[in-house]
Amino acid sequence: GDSVTQMEGPVTLSEEAFLTINCTYTATGYPSLFWYVQYPGEGLQLLLKATKADDKGSNKGFEATYRKETTSFHLEKGSVQVSDSAVYFCALSDRGSSYKLIFGSGTRLLVRP
Amino acid sequence: EAGVAQSPRYKIIEKRQSVAFWCNPISGHATLYWYQQILGQGPKLLIQFQNNGVVDDSQLPKDRFSAERLKGVDSTLKIQPAKLEDSAVYLCASSLGPTSGQETQYFGPGTRLLVL
Repeated sequence: GDSVTQMEGPVTLSEEAFLTINCTYTATGYPSLFWYVQYPGEGLQLLLKATKADDKGSNKGFEATYRKETTSFHLEKGSVQVSDSAVYFCALSDRGSSYKLIFGSGTRLLVRP
Repeated sequence: EAGVAQSPRYKIIEKRQSVAFWCNPISGHATLYWYQQILGQGPKLLIQFQNNGVVDDSQLPKDRFSAERLKGVDSTLKIQPAKLEDSAVYLCASSLGPTSGQETQYFGPGTRLLVL
């Protein structure tokens, strides 16, 4: 079945450092790919998405490119802030699974001042 | 536009008791999802509704969990009787529909359940 694998955390960075969180997926169809962010005590917020190969999703300085050839959707940000500290989830959905979201296990990011 | 609403935000019960969670999706969203998020893990789908019909409940422990979506709007998820392993955050999400271009899901704040 479909699955998502994320790099394990926690990832600890200093403010203004470059961020990469790796995400790879396995899917039988042509999924849409998502990054969600979860701040402490809150629900999931959609950060960005891409619906087809080579699409780049971007929001709030974060970006990720849908790479079909490497089945990857890595999250990047050029300069992180303390306020970016949260748990980040990579997820996919596709028609074969009635568009339910299949999530990775999450990566905790801690940004130090 | 109002987001997905859930209540209560927190609930503490003893094992073998019953509990119910409520969700009101974004107005106009036909598809509603309930996910269970155990600490340190990604959310996992429990049940998916399209209007008031069930699309997928294959991962719902039907001996103790039940859910309904009367009139195709708000939804209730119930656990009876609760077990210790049901301690988790229960997330409700909604989307316009289960079709390409409408599948983006928006989540509520979740209900954090602790079973003692």
